[in-house]
Amino acid sequence: QAVVTQEPSLTVSPGGTVTLTCASSTGAVTSGHDPNWFQHKPGQPPRALIYNTNNKHSWTPARFSGSLLGDKAALTLSGVQPEDEAEYYCLLYYGAAGVFGGGTKLTVL
Amino acid sequence: EMQLVESGGGLVNPGGSLRLSCAASGFTFTDSWMAWVRQTPGKGLEWLSRIQSKTAGGTTYYAAPVKDRFTISRDDSKDTLYLQMNGLTTEDTAVYYCTRDLMKWGRGTLVTVSS
Repeated sequence: QAVVTQEPSLTVSPGGTVTLTCASSTGAVTSGHDPNWFQHKPGQPPRALIYNTNNKHSWTPARFSGSLLGDKAALTLSGVQPEDEAEYYCLLYYGAAGVFGGGTKLTVL
Repeated sequence: EMQLVESGGGLVNPGGSLRLSCAASGFTFTDSWMAWVRQTPGKGLEWLSRIQSKTAGGTTYYAAPVKDRFTISRDDSKDTLYLQMNGLTTEDTAVYYCTRDLMKWGRGTLVTVSS
């Protein structure tokens, strides 16, 4: 099974910009991996943010955006808010089976 | 309002079996691809299984670690998704989430595998 790698932790100041990345052990991440991004806060179910690399759900705040950056998928938060402090997970599809990354703990400080 | 409510979790001995259910409402379950995801204590999310809608073929997909032990199924007449889990080990202790193809999530049900 492929391994999906994310930064374990990142820190950003309120109002700042931060980019989280998602790498695949099999090589470059492409749109064919259908990169998805999720936000997870303690005591709540995960919330889907991005699908198909850069598509937002109707509930996704405008400050969140997805992209491909080099050979990785990326999630960029612009104008970070205190409530954005959470764990963020990417998911890549290999065929029809998905694999989550290990998550990035984002601290807003 | 779209809702997913998991049930069937609990304490089970190693080697035992458990069947999780997920009752869906507020959307057209029949047309939806559904999936199960779990979060183990102190660890991250793990994608487990996915099932197509019947109209798309009803094909099932599994993560390698559970492929031979877990079975996903659906009863469209009851708007309910299932996950049959056999040969459980302590590594399967987790909160299990039902999702409408990872867009909408239930609140999860806790499975504890322990003697």
